[in-house]
Amino acid sequence: GQQVMQIPQYQHVQEGEDFTTYCNSSTTLSNIQWYKQRPGGHPVFLIQLVKSGEVKKQKRLTFQFGEAKKNSSLHITATQTTDVGTYFCAGPGVSGAGSYQLTFGKGTKLSVIP
Amino acid sequence: KAGVTQTPRYLIKTRGQQVTLSCSPISGHRSVSWYQQTPGQGLQFLFEYFSETQRNKGNFPGRFSGRQFSNSRSEMNVSTLELGDSALYLCASSLEASGIIEQFFGPGTRLTVL
Repeated sequence: GQQVMQIPQYQHVQEGEDFTTYCNSSTTLSNIQWYKQRPGGHPVFLIQLVKSGEVKKQKRLTFQFGEAKKNSSLHITATQTTDVGTYFCAGPGVSGAGSYQLTFGKGTKLSVIP
Repeated sequence: KAGVTQTPRYLIKTRGQQVTLSCSPISGHRSVSWYQQTPGQGLQFLFEYFSETQRNKGNFPGRFSGRQFSNSRSEMNVSTLELGDSALYLCASSLEASGIIEQFFGPGTRLTVL
């Protein structure tokens, strides 16, 4: 079945440093989504990328979708303590019935040292 | 607009018992998905319901079942509980529009099996 892998599993950074997490799928994706889960919280949707080579920015966050639509990355510039949490990528798998399920990567847990 | 609600928030059961978890999606959302989150396995898809029909199912044993009612509320049932079923169970609803299928997660039900 479809597999979505994320690296690194953990990342500890000093406040102000940059952070990047990488996501790789075993299959070509129609789109990829990114979620953030704060400690003790639930995943919250950040963004969806659809086009090959697409780059989207949200303030200090930059999301990229690979040309082959099998990999993606999330880069945070100048991390802040509010960035702490686990970042997940998720790829869709569509069954013949047209349903929609997400396969999540195991996430990258970001710690920011003040 | 109210978010996704899940009840109960915490549950303690013993092996062999069964449990029913409830999820109320965002008003107007007809798709409800269930996920199991554990530290070792991450977020794993259980099943998805749309208009009272199960559209897709993940790789979980038959002890895990669900249903959706006409008002889109969903329940998940786990029978003959095992220690390994201890996890955070997350429900997510989505509104399929404009090709973006953002999942809105509820706060989850923390199930502990003793």
